[in-house]
Amino acid sequence: GQSLEQPSEVTAVEGAIVQINCTYQTSGFYGLSWYQQHDGGAPTFLSYNGLDGLEETGRFSSFLSRSDSYGYLLLQELQMKDSASYFCAAILNTGGFKTIFGAGTRLFVKA
Amino acid sequence: GAVVSQHPSRVICKSGTSVKIECRSLDFQATTMFWYRQFPKQSLMLMATSNEGSKATYEQGVEKDKFLINHASLTLSTLTVTSAHPEDSSFYICSALPTANTEAFFGQGTRLTVV
Repeated sequence: GQSLEQPSEVTAVEGAIVQINCTYQTSGFYGLSWYQQHDGGAPTFLSYNGLDGLEETGRFSSFLSRSDSYGYLLLQELQMKDSASYFCAAILNTGGFKTIFGAGTRLFVKA
Repeated sequence: GAVVSQHPSRVICKSGTSVKIECRSLDFQATTMFWYRQFPKQSLMLMATSNEGSKATYEQGVEKDKFLINHASLTLSTLTVTSAHPEDSSFYICSALPTANTEAFFGQGTRLTVV
């Protein structure tokens, strides 16, 4: 089946850097996205990797290695407001495009 | 960015009744929309892919007769939860991909409570 694995929880302090890893086992893999979700809210898009390598968007960066079926999200200069759940999501092309999500990583940022 | 509007944001219904949730793309056309369900502290589980003008494609284990999806236009998809039961209480979210290699835009989600 199609699956994405990521750690369930990560804790870090304000100002620090944190990396959230994601490994995937899929067929029809097209690209990897990252989303942030605060409690009770809808997911919001953070980053997308269609090609191998690093994508940088402000304090957030994302990396993809297709050969390793692996990606990560890097959050720098952590702020309290970054406390949320982070999901990696694979865009699949299996005769049509769809997005499936990992289980999510709960990030706790401490002062 | 593109905007997807979902309505209602919250709904409480009695067991055995049906509930319709609407998902609209406000500033783009979406031939394909997606419906997800999320239980507390869990991930978003893809329920079905809604295709404009054709039948929806359901993920394994999702009852198509219980979760009716209609994608009548390029800007509107609806999910109807029929004969709702308390175990159907969940957060339902729709999304659309304007093009394949861009971000998915999500609606605000609908919190369904069946009593």
